[in-house]
Amino acid sequence: AQTVTQSQPEMSVQEAETVTLSCTYDTSESDYYLFWYKQPPSRQMILVIRQEAYKQQNATENRFSVNFQKAAKSFSLKISDSQLGDAAMYFCAYRSARGNDMRFGAGTRLTVKP
Amino acid sequence: DTGVSQNPRHKITKRGQNVTFRCDPISEHNRLYWYRQTLGQGPEFLTYFQNEAQLEKSRLLSDRFSAERPKGSFSTLEIQRTEQGDSAMYLCASSYRDRDQETQYFGPGTRLLVL
Repeated sequence: AQTVTQSQPEMSVQEAETVTLSCTYDTSESDYYLFWYKQPPSRQMILVIRQEAYKQQNATENRFSVNFQKAAKSFSLKISDSQLGDAAMYFCAYRSARGNDMRFGAGTRLTVKP
Repeated sequence: DTGVSQNPRHKITKRGQNVTFRCDPISEHNRLYWYRQTLGQGPEFLTYFQNEAQLEKSRLLSDRFSAERPKGSFSTLEIQRTEQGDSAMYLCASSYRDRDQETQYFGPGTRLLVL
């Protein structure tokens, strides 16, 4: 069974600085998708970034980028120029290309200090 | 607002009562998912529909849980004879799958408290 592990329950960053959130996963499949979702307090979960496993190039979305290491089964999220609005729970998620359900990690709570 | 909506947003009930939640997906999305999220954890998959067909159910979905998606539009999740362990956030997500390309969009959730 596929599992997703986020080893950092909490992280903090100074406003305008850069922070990296870690995620590792376990799978025997070669074709899959990885996601980072953001869940602000009392608000709904929104997609931050996605990565297709068959793509070697790391995905980027404005200030958000990933470091996808397929052999190491690692998928970290880098947030540059952190803003107060980035404070939230961040969930890493995995979906097999053949499957339908997403597997989520336990989340990392990010605090941004002004 | 064309996002995923869920009602009610909060529900408090007594143990043993039945509750029903509703999810309205994004209109052009053919797939709909239900997840459960307990405090301090990530969402856990419960079930999913493609159009009106319920195609997959998690082992987490006990016999007390039932989900429907009549006509392939909105969906309902019913919990019968609620237990305190059912207290959680119930999330709905919808998507449109084109080949293997798919992104799930989440609703705000229904927070259930069973007393």
